[in-house]
Amino acid sequence: DAGITQSPRYKITETGRQVTLMCHQTWSHSYMFWYRQDLGHGLRLIYYSAAADITDKGEVPDGYVVSRSKTENFPLTLESATRSQTSVYFCASSESHSNQPQHFGDGTRLSIL
Amino acid sequence: TQLLEQSPQFLSIQEGENLTVYCNSSSVFSSLQWYRQEPGEGPVLLVTVVTGGEVKKLKRLTFQFGDARKDSSLHITAAQPGDTGLYLCAGVRGKLVFGAGTILRVKS
Repeated sequence: DAGITQSPRYKITETGRQVTLMCHQTWSHSYMFWYRQDLGHGLRLIYYSAAADITDKGEVPDGYVVSRSKTENFPLTLESATRSQTSVYFCASSESHSNQPQHFGDGTRLSIL
Repeated sequence: TQLLEQSPQFLSIQEGENLTVYCNSSSVFSSLQWYRQEPGEGPVLLVTVVTGGEVKKLKRLTFQFGDARKDSSLHITAAQPGDTGLYLCAGVRGKLVFGAGTILRVKS
């Protein structure tokens, strides 16, 4: 089915571990985004990508790394997880410009102990 | 400090009541989007408003963009339990900037 898929849906890990969240979209959208959602803060942009091999920082990029070797995939890596990175992470995509409506995945709930 | 302030943060009402959610900023946006999010799912776009003063209707939902394109409102008429969810406004200033959201609970 066409859409945007995030995996895993739930993840528990320990501080200091590396963890990668996966995002795959089947629309061939140019733009992809990673957000974190925390109570009282809404959605905050971590990183975004305008095309394959083009990525840029968002509002809260520290502690995160992204790559985009293929248009359809946009993985997010926490290099050394910290408790403050416990959150729900959403991946999104949009057709062309960064201000177009975004289509979201169902999120990954990440807990760091 | 949020660039977009949404109010109220939480709203609990009875089925059939009317309500309004506000999205305010001191900044001008080229357009504004409203999303609805249900538990365990990602936000889903409801509407985009582009022109200052624009009003859009989606069944019982009415969206308005302020004349100066700094604020917006969402009015729901005769709310139903199916309207329960998190409502997010997002302004476009180069990138999309989200408000913190309004949690709406409609009791039957």
